[in-house]
Amino acid sequence: SQQGEEDPQALSIQEGENATMNCSYKTSINNLQWYRQNSGRGLVHLILIRSNEREKHSGRLRVTLDTSKKSSSLLITASRAADTASYFCATDVGGSYIPTFGRGTSLIVHP
Amino acid sequence: EAGVAQSPRYKIIEKRQSVAFWCNPISGHATLYWYQQILGQGPKLLIQFQNNGVVDDSQLPKDRFSAERLKGVDSTLKIQPAKLEDSAVYLCASSLQGATEAFFGQGTRLTVV
Repeated sequence: SQQGEEDPQALSIQEGENATMNCSYKTSINNLQWYRQNSGRGLVHLILIRSNEREKHSGRLRVTLDTSKKSSSLLITASRAADTASYFCATDVGGSYIPTFGRGTSLIVHP
Repeated sequence: EAGVAQSPRYKIIEKRQSVAFWCNPISGHATLYWYQQILGQGPKLLIQFQNNGVVDDSQLPKDRFSAERLKGVDSTLKIQPAKLEDSAVYLCASSLQGATEAFFGQGTRLTVV
């Protein structure tokens, strides 16, 4: 079963716009991670946020975590065509340290 | 630093045939994962190794799938016999012991016809 679920399933924006993706999960976690997957390739780790953190930044990425709502969001600012990819959140279920993935959000950035 | 290596990149087999995938993790990474990713879905964990021991294989269909990591480094995942629904990308990932961040290989795309 999948712990995290991303929303929306698909997102289409113009270059320069911001993209926001959300992730909801069911059980308590130690960490939440976001990964990117370009078509036909493996997953690339973007950012990890711990359960005692509320917000984290990395370049054009901003991740928030609300443990009371069991949700996280990934914001990509000033998007580029190269950001076109699928984005997945992964949570570790009950301290297992095993990344458990949602279905992902497919992002298309039009040049 | 070399990444996670997987081979082959692509494989096409007929149903009921067998197939094997190979993974070489990042040097020093004690934890190794095999995931199955069906088109349009997120990766699903098949098995996790810690060195050469199995930590979690609860979602591995053991009647047809097997995996080993004999010397705690390289790993192989085997399917015998394959079914049409096994068509997917098989991803290998590794991480440092006790760490959550996993590093993924490029995957093996399996098509069963």
